[in-house]
Amino acid sequence: DAKTTQPNSMESNEEEPVHLPCNHSTISGTDYIHWYRQLPSQGPEYVIHGLTSNVNNRMASLAIAEDRKSSTLILHRATLRDAAVYYCILRDPDYGGSQGNLIFGKGTKLSVKP
Amino acid sequence: GAVVSQHPSWVICKSGTSVKIECRSLDFQATTMFWYRQFPKQSLMLMATSNEGSKATYEQGVEKDKFLINHASLTLSTLTVTSAHPEDSSFYICSASRTKPEQYFGPGTRLTVT
Repeated sequence: DAKTTQPNSMESNEEEPVHLPCNHSTISGTDYIHWYRQLPSQGPEYVIHGLTSNVNNRMASLAIAEDRKSSTLILHRATLRDAAVYYCILRDPDYGGSQGNLIFGKGTKLSVKP
Repeated sequence: GAVVSQHPSWVICKSGTSVKIECRSLDFQATTMFWYRQFPKQSLMLMATSNEGSKATYEQGVEKDKFLINHASLTLSTLTVTSAHPEDSSFYICSASRTKPEQYFGPGTRLTVT
């Protein structure tokens, strides 16, 4: 799997937007960009994924660079409940014919200040 | 939808005993389930991939005779830690895949071996 690079930590103020960057310069043409987050003492939670076009859902937006070598997860209004470790993961869904296990890096620990 | 449960949520056992952890997909059928382990302040590490009706595939360095995985049905996978030792104390998390590419994670089981 291609490697991703994320900042170790970021801080945000409550009610403000947060932009979490991810670099993936060795991404292949078939890799999807996934974002998961893990709240303290809980299992990871799916946030969003995309391939080429920007994506929006109820949780966040995903902005993907035109060359796909980087992406940004956007939380439009951070809340205290958004404090978590955010993981950017690349995965080819057809790799090895499996359902696709996820390889977690260290992620970005997001702190939200009231 | 897409809820995954784990039982128990936490367990304390004595060194040398065995512990069984259950992972259930509550509202969908999962042909593949994954087991992860997470030590304090570290990321998730994939232990094994469990396919219904067949033997699990273990990651390099994971002892298959120590971590027994059974995927008896499309909604249940179990992980048994045999002859547990204090170094096996960790946060064990399962995930299940319904359709690519998303995975749904359980809440985790915290194992403490005394």
